Amino acid sequence: DAGITQSPRHKVTETGTPVTLRCHQTENHRYMYWYRQDPGHGLRLIHYSYGVKDTDKGEVSDGYSVSRSKTEDFLLTLESATSSQTSVYFCAISESENQPQHFGDGTRLSIL
Amino acid sequence: GENVEQHPSTLSVQEGDSAVIKCTYSDSASNYFPWYKQELGKGPQLIIDIRSNVGEKKDQRIAVTLNKTAKHFSLHITETQPEDSAVYFCAASKKGSTLGRLYFGRGTQLTVWP
Repeated sequence: DAGITQSPRHKVTETGTPVTLRCHQTENHRYMYWYRQDPGHGLRLIHYSYGVKDTDKGEVSDGYSVSRSKTEDFLLTLESATSSQTSVYFCAISESENQPQHFGDGTRLSIL
Repeated sequence: GENVEQHPSTLSVQEGDSAVIKCTYSDSASNYFPWYKQELGKGPQLIIDIRSNVGEKKDQRIAVTLNKTAKHFSLHITETQPEDSAVYFCAASKKGSTLGRLYFGRGTQLTVWP
């Protein structure tokens, strides 16, 4: 299995609080992605990174920001969590563009 | 952007039967098509993929076929087993301005009855 660790695995928080999810990889892959998974929507891309300090928006980026200060870590931040951001969040990595992506086991986030 | 449609959304088969899941895509420039299996509480796991220069690829009981002209690709699982029960996702991507981002279908819940 690809060396991808997501933390925390579960989190419950209140509306309006900031939340940061972490993705850590040991594969030294250049590309990292954040997806959210919701019933009826499949997996949707939030943000992605193609190198240290190089990030871009996906299709559902509103309300989220990301940072990548090291190759191995990709952080997803919800500045002020809303109930619509209750979801399961997955991190993925790939060696380069248009190459297989490998996923972590996800973070289940509940915002009350 | 790309639009990937996946059918059926649920599929039930008897152990030993075959299962087929179909996906269509809209962007003729897409050139990479992976399939993922997701078990409960886990992340999607890549099970097989195919590129646009190949029409078919097999790996033991799993095969994927691609029809570029019709813009559809299919996952075939033969001799199904109860442990094949999971949600399966297809996806498509291309090189270029989208940096290879994956566009996913909405998933198929496969149940294999013993």
